Amino acid sequence: EAGVTQFPSHSVIEKGQTVTLRCDPISGHDNLYWYRRVMGKEIKFLLHFVKESKQDESGMPNNRFLAERTGGTYSTLKVQPAELEDSGVYFCASSQSIVNYGYTFGSGTRLTVV
Amino acid sequence: QKEVEQNSGPLSVPEGAIASLNCTYSDRGSQSFFWYRQYSGKSPELIMSIYSNGDKEDGRFTAQLNKASQYVSLLIRDSQPSDSATYLCAVFSGGYQKVTFGIGTKLQVIP
Repeated sequence: EAGVTQFPSHSVIEKGQTVTLRCDPISGHDNLYWYRRVMGKEIKFLLHFVKESKQDESGMPNNRFLAERTGGTYSTLKVQPAELEDSGVYFCASSQSIVNYGYTFGSGTRLTVV
Repeated sequence: QKEVEQNSGPLSVPEGAIASLNCTYSDRGSQSFFWYRQYSGKSPELIMSIYSNGDKEDGRFTAQLNKASQYVSLLIRDSQPSDSATYLCAVFSGGYQKVTFGIGTKLQVIP
């Protein structure tokens, strides 16, 4: 079984530019989550998809962040325009059943905004 | 009050000793509890899950849950240098349908 795949693994962009992160969940996992870890802080929830629907986007910092999951397969997270405080590691996770199995995480995208 | 509290450490233990990692949570309605291990520069990896009060053992790992005290712990017996990592406590609350993470405890096993 292929794991959760994220790319790019690293991205360095200038303030004001746009970046799009991609996540391919484990096949058959309806639940897809985006999290972010800023250095020295907890891994923070951003949003949750069930198939193609946004179940909960309460963790999205502001309207510069846009997530999509067309067709209920892969997901993208776009940051436009990027700000310095957006730097961090963005993790995607998928799950068949959170209650019973927890998450499987992708390797993360380290975003640096300069 | 943070939703999931952990001491960030570092917690240093000698090789072969028992490492004890602790976590408290605020939501009494929490249903499932997880421990993830994260090596530096890597993604979190699920190592234990526990759902009911008591102990759950898996190899050298034992998870303990006390819902009345809102307390979860992870014991690692016969600690090895390869156990050196950050251990994240994570709590699933059905009402929110998401997992909340603690800051993680950095464990250092000294050879």
